[in-house]
Amino acid sequence: DGGITQSPKYLFRKEGQNVTLSCEQNLNHDAMYWYRQDPGQGLRLIYYSQIVNDFQKGDIAEGYSVSREKKESFPLTVTSAQKNPTAFYLCASSIGLAVDTQYFGPGTRLTVL
Amino acid sequence: GENVEQHPSTLSVQEGDSAVIKCTYSDSASNYFPWYKQELGKGPQLIIDIRSNVGEKKDQRIAVTLNKTAKHFSLHITETQPEDSAVYFCAARINQGGKLIFGQGTELSVKP
Repeated sequence: DGGITQSPKYLFRKEGQNVTLSCEQNLNHDAMYWYRQDPGQGLRLIYYSQIVNDFQKGDIAEGYSVSREKKESFPLTVTSAQKNPTAFYLCASSIGLAVDTQYFGPGTRLTVL
Repeated sequence: GENVEQHPSTLSVQEGDSAVIKCTYSDSASNYFPWYKQELGKGPQLIIDIRSNVGEKKDQRIAVTLNKTAKHFSLHITETQPEDSAVYFCAARINQGGKLIFGQGTELSVKP
């Protein structure tokens, strides 16, 4: 069963703690993306990667970090420097950066207390 | 940079009626326009897309139209059903960089 998995679905953390969100895909896609979604707003791009060991900042990268050590995995770390970390985080992938269609995972809802 | 405006933010229709959601974009170099449907607590699902060399595309009850001159594109859903209720997002992709820029979303409610 091919697709994108994100875990956990819900995540709670205390203020000041770093937290890492998981994203795995078995679609053999080269490009992967992280988006943030806030209530009543569209999706905003945090980071993206077009190939292993390479990633680029999106529009709202401050306070976040990523790694891409394996093709199928693109974890996102929300650091304590992120001022408003509570949000719904979505991971996506596409065949390549130049290929249009992006497929999304089910998302992780992060709540910082 | 590219900016995408989406209207309306909420839309309520009776079952069987049509629903239309409109988006405008700012960068004339945009060449790909997908529409996503997002159900509560889930990730967005691609429902239809259109490229800049096509003016209209249809898939059963869903259609998308593109007006490159006016820089706007629209989603049309005919014969709406309660299961069409969700948040719909439009997006635009510019040729370089491959990034998708999303609209703010439209919450569609189909009342039985």
